[in-house]
Amino acid sequence: DVKVTQSSRYLVKRTGEKVFLECVQDMDHENMFWYRQDPGLGLRLIYFSYDVKMKEKGDIPEGYSVSREKKERFSLILESASTNQTSMYLCASSLDRAPNEKLFFGSGTQLSVL
Amino acid sequence: EDQVTQSPEALRLQEGESSSLNCSYTVSGLRGLFWYRQDPGKGPEFLFTLYSAGEEKEKERLKATLTKKESFLHITAPKPEDSATYLCAVRAGGYQKVTFGIGTKLQVIP
Repeated sequence: DVKVTQSSRYLVKRTGEKVFLECVQDMDHENMFWYRQDPGLGLRLIYFSYDVKMKEKGDIPEGYSVSREKKERFSLILESASTNQTSMYLCASSLDRAPNEKLFFGSGTQLSVL
Repeated sequence: EDQVTQSPEALRLQEGESSSLNCSYTVSGLRGLFWYRQDPGKGPEFLFTLYSAGEEKEKERLKATLTKKESFLHITAPKPEDSATYLCAVRAGGYQKVTFGIGTKLQVIP
């Protein structure tokens, strides 16, 4: 089975801190995604990447950046954390660009920014 | 802009009481409609992909159907272990982008 691993299950940070969320997939998938999930808003796409060193903005990229130096690893960076970035962050991957490709999700990182 | 609306937001069923969840969508050029299941504290888990109106897929007590404007997830004789949030998502246009609905939280009572 595909495994998508997120480095932290829970994270507490202070306003203004730089935050790194790490995600690793073990099945050589081309595409990787970062979503945030908030009550009443559902999952919203922050950034995605379809190849090493490639990135595309999703619906809500403001305040975030990403890095994909290796195919298996996709990092989400909060340059200066703010309280409105408190959320559940979900990483996902998919095999290739075919439109029917399903997403495989990690278990999520619950980030609290105080 | 792609839109996905799920109803109801929450549903409480007695064990064995069949029902349906609704997902209505507005997209330009549907390339796939997905159903996922999400348990508390976990990431979503894939259930089905549907591509064209009239298509149906089944898995155990779940059956997904698709029309040109909506999809239904039918749950037949549910069990308590079916309790979860069910998410609907669509892929359209720029095909890497998947748009999710807010989900339906299903509770099945013994």
